[in-house]
Amino acid sequence: EDQVTQSPEALRLQEGESSSLNCSYTVSGLRGLFWYRQDPGKGPEFLFTLYSAGEEKEKERLKATLTKKESFLHITAPKPEDSATYLCAVQADRDDKIIFGKGTRLHILP
Amino acid sequence: EAGVAQSPRYKIIEKRQSVAFWCNPISGHATLYWYQQILGQGPKLLIQFQNNGVVDDSQLPKDRFSAERLKGVDSTLKIQPAKLEDSAVYLCASSLDGGGTDTQYFGPGTRLTVL
Repeated sequence: EDQVTQSPEALRLQEGESSSLNCSYTVSGLRGLFWYRQDPGKGPEFLFTLYSAGEEKEKERLKATLTKKESFLHITAPKPEDSATYLCAVQADRDDKIIFGKGTRLHILP
Repeated sequence: EAGVAQSPRYKIIEKRQSVAFWCNPISGHATLYWYQQILGQGPKLLIQFQNNGVVDDSQLPKDRFSAERLKGVDSTLKIQPAKLEDSAVYLCASSLDGGGTDTQYFGPGTRLTVL
């Protein structure tokens, strides 16, 4: 069964304290892995799509990486406005179904 | 570019009542998705439309949930009758053509509380 597990469930960091969020996945064949950001009371906002192991993408203080079993979202020198829930999702190539993880709630303290 | 619009933003009903949600996707987007997001969980796909045809409704509880997308633009999702476990945020998303790893754009969601 296809599965996505995100860790940790919640993370509190001081402003400027870099860290990484993990997304472990099990899928028969990966078409793509997605990262979204979700603010309270809002819908998810697209961040990145990764397609194959070894791929990396960056946007401001965020960098996403992908291996055959997991993806990391690295946050460098975060600011309070980076506080949000970060969702990971995978799309299987056999049926195109998209499965989301439960997310990591990130709180950056000023 | 206008985003995905949803209404209402909040709805409170009693169990066994009916409720309907509306979604207007980004102009020109052929594919429309309805997701259910229970508190503390990731979104779960309920139904996917390509234009006005259903692509995937395998996780839609068809005994109580229904959805339509007439004319391939706006969509409505209905629950009849509602149960306590239907309390969740219902998210609508759209993508340009739904092919491959097409980016999905989400609306703000409708928060449903069933008492």
